[in-house]
Amino acid sequence: DAGVIQSPRHEVTEMGQEVTLRCKPISGHNSLFWYRQTMMRGLELLIYFNNNVPIDDSGMPEDRFSAKMPNASFSTLKIQPSEPRDSAVYFCASSYGASGGTDTQYFGPGTRLTVL
Amino acid sequence: KQEVTQIPAALSVPEGENLVLNCSFTDSAIYNLQWFRQDPGKGLTSLLLIQSSQREQTSGRLNASLDKSSGRSTLYIAASQPGDSATYLCAVVSYNFNKFYFGSGTKLNVKP
Repeated sequence: DAGVIQSPRHEVTEMGQEVTLRCKPISGHNSLFWYRQTMMRGLELLIYFNNNVPIDDSGMPEDRFSAKMPNASFSTLKIQPSEPRDSAVYFCASSYGASGGTDTQYFGPGTRLTVL
Repeated sequence: KQEVTQIPAALSVPEGENLVLNCSFTDSAIYNLQWFRQDPGKGLTSLLLIQSSQREQTSGRLNASLDKSSGRSTLYIAASQPGDSATYLCAVVSYNFNKFYFGSGTKLNVKP
């Protein structure tokens, strides 16, 4: 298996633009997670899905952020409009299991987002 | 809300030393605890996962212990090597919250 795949790996955009990050989880995994990592705040869970359904989005910082999982093999995290404070590395992870954190999570390589 | 603390924030040791990384958490009702490694510019790699019913897990030169009652876990690295240089993070899944809470990590540098 190729592991968790994220695209793009790097994204540079200007404030106010829409940004879409993509993730393909490991085949057969039931749960998918979106994280954000910054120097100031460390690694934060934004949202996670189980069987394509959003289970906990309490970490989503505000309405500018939205995430979807239309099928078991694809998820997107969208920021609209983007702001400089959104600059961070965004990780996607997936795992087996019926609930959020009960099994080992496998992380993708991340998307480094820079908002100018 | 669960809070996870890792001490020290950074550690530099000569090659060959045995070392211990510490992780503490505030809510002892947990599903499991996991140790990850993160290399610069990369994602996280799972090292060890300890279920709440377990006291320790071992993988090669790594040994992780869990003491739920005191809210602590340690990651022991034997005979450290320069290739062990990375940031090590612990993550706790709380029984009440059913999601991961990460510590801020310990940045390890093993000098040749």
